Amino acid sequence: EIVLTQSPDFQSVTPKEKLTITCRASQSIGSSLHWYQQKPDQSPKLLIKFASQSISGVPSRFSGSGSGTDFTLTINSLEAEDAATYYCHQSSSLPLTFGQGTKVEIK
Amino acid sequence: EVQLVESGGGLVKPGGPLRLSCAASGFTFSDYRMHWVRQAPGKGLEWVSSISGTNSFTYYADSVKGRFTISRDNAKNSLYLQMNSLRAEDTAVYYCARVTSSVAILDAFDIWGHGTMVIVSS
Repeated sequence: EIVLTQSPDFQSVTPKEKLTITCRASQSIGSSLHWYQQKPDQSPKLLIKFASQSISGVPSRFSGSGSGTDFTLTINSLEAEDAATYYCHQSSSLPLTFGQGTKVEIK
Repeated sequence: EVQLVESGGGLVKPGGPLRLSCAASGFTFSDYRMHWVRQAPGKGLEWVSSISGTNSFTYYADSVKGRFTISRDNAKNSLYLQMNSLRAEDTAVYYCARVTSSVAILDAFDIWGHGTMVIVSS
């Protein structure tokens, strides 16, 4: 099973700040890494697929990079509505796995 | 509008069965592999099971293998999860999810339902 480890677990940031969340895979997964945003009492929302591919309707301040074992989700100029928990997810092999999540608080 | 709507959750005693349903609309259901993902209260996301568009291939997480069965009825645009021998640790919100591409086997999930809560308790 591929283990995904996110860092940090929690981050408190001020509006307009830039935030970087990392996701490290226990073995190479190519670019089969996706990012989701989940707000309280809502289902997850796809932000980035295959490491860096943008999703229609997702604000351009969200971007992704990386390949192999190390991946990054960057949120430029954070807004209050970005308060949420962010998860990475690998689809390289079964069982599909998710990172433990990174909770982002806006000060 | 592309939509997934789960139903069937509830309170069930340990060892009991429960069947979840997921109604799909707004897309050609049979073209897409579908998945179940769960989230225990206050916890992260856990993949549970997947099924190909034509029912040919199913996969399960080890934690549910032998107890849960995924199925689909393409004529009814519906996905199911039959859960037997339920345990307290199966307590979670269960989401059905669609992959982004009709041709990909392993892919991101672009459409999620709102989820249905399953509570396993005596």
